[in-house]
This record gives sequence, structure tokens and C-alpha cells, in this order.
Amino acid sequence: KQEVTQIPAALSVPEGENLVLNCSFTDSAIYNLQWFRQDPGKGLTSLLLIQSSQREQTSGRLNASLDKSSGRSTLYIAASQPGDSATYLCAFARRSSNTGKLIFGQGTTLQVKP
Amino acid sequence: GAVVSQHPSRVICKSGTSVKIECRSLDFQATTMFWYRQFPKKSLMLMATSNEGSKATYEQGVEKDKFLINHASLTLSTLTVTSAHPEDSSFYICSAGLAGGPSYEQYFGPGTRLTVT
Repeated sequence: KQEVTQIPAALSVPEGENLVLNCSFTDSAIYNLQWFRQDPGKGLTSLLLIQSSQREQTSGRLNASLDKSSGRSTLYIAASQPGDSATYLCAFARRSSNTGKLIFGQGTTLQVKP
Repeated sequence: GAVVSQHPSRVICKSGTSVKIECRSLDFQATTMFWYRQFPKKSLMLMATSNEGSKATYEQGVEKDKFLINHASLTLSTLTVTSAHPEDSSFYICSAGLAGGPSYEQYFGPGTRLTVT
């Protein structure tokens, strides 16, 4: 069973729109949850990390929320720009892991059209 | 800070040969390094977790004799793909966990594109 599900798998929006990416996870005993950005053929860039004791984190136009009870996290992107086009991945670390091993979702591929 | 490098960024090798990929944490010490594999348009699949000075822990279904991992120091881990075959062609990404960091945050390398002909 997929432990992390990201919806939608792909999204295309015009420049300037505010948008929300969704991530749901099956394990409520998480240590933290991270959102990453991946450009084609590149590695991952960490965007935001939310500890299990936190409900949200903000960085610039990005805001990530965490609701452990419902097993959901959202990434809100305000005033989207063409440079935001990339694949966005969420991943969590289990509380039971002593290494911080991350469980990844399949990602949402975002295209922002100028 | 917290930069992770990988070398090479791209490698092409012939079937049957071995290839080594290096992962380095440039400005911090990493007690734990992770090796992932990514197929086109797919998410990352964890292959193994390596701790400095000890044997790597491999995920189910990953052949430890084929994917040799060495974590000789707190700043260097290597992945060697032995007797490579075309099905080993993939994008390999490493990440490093910050030693002593309370958040277990991982920092990812830029990836290595392996093509086996």
C-alpha cells in the first residue's frame, strides 16, 4: 500500500495563481514531514520541514501545513511564477526510525504558464 | 551550508563493468547517508542506509552484493554498481543526515545519471 499519496499527480496553472498541493500519509506517528522541489534531471532541494510538534512552516511564498490526526499536509504556493515549474515531493520520517529514513510520495508535477 | 556533492554527475559504462559513485558532505559531518534510486517520472526508492564505520542496511529487494556501499568517513560514502546491466540504468541520488541534528533533516546531492550500454 502506498504510504504517501500526492494529489494531483500533475497540475498546470496560469502565472499568478495561488495553488495548493496535497500530501496524505498513512502513519500518524511521524517525526517530521518535508517538502522538496525537484527540477528535471536534478537532485532534491528542501523547501520546508515541519516537525511533528508544529502545524505549519512558511518560507517566502510557500506555506506548508501539517495535520497529523488526519494524516495530511498541504503546500500552498502564492502568486505562482513560471520558475516554480518543477516536481514537488513530500516525505515523512517515522518516529520509530532512528536514522530519519524518509518515505516519499510520487510527487506533483507543476507547470506554471506565463 | 549543508551542501552535498556527487561525482560523477553522469556516467556511461558497458554492460559487465563496475562503476563507483561518490557522495560527499562538503561542509558538515554526516553520521548517516542514504542512497536512492529514481526511475523516470517516479519517486525516489530508498536502496540503503549507511552509517560511518559500519555495514549498510539494505532495503528489501535490493541486492547488497550488486550495490556495494562504503561509508569510510563522516563526509564520504560510495556506491559501487558491480557487473552493471542495462536495467541498472537509472538516476542515483544520495542524501546526508546532519550529525547531531535534532530534526533528522536530510540534504540531497545533485544525483548521478547512470547509463549502461
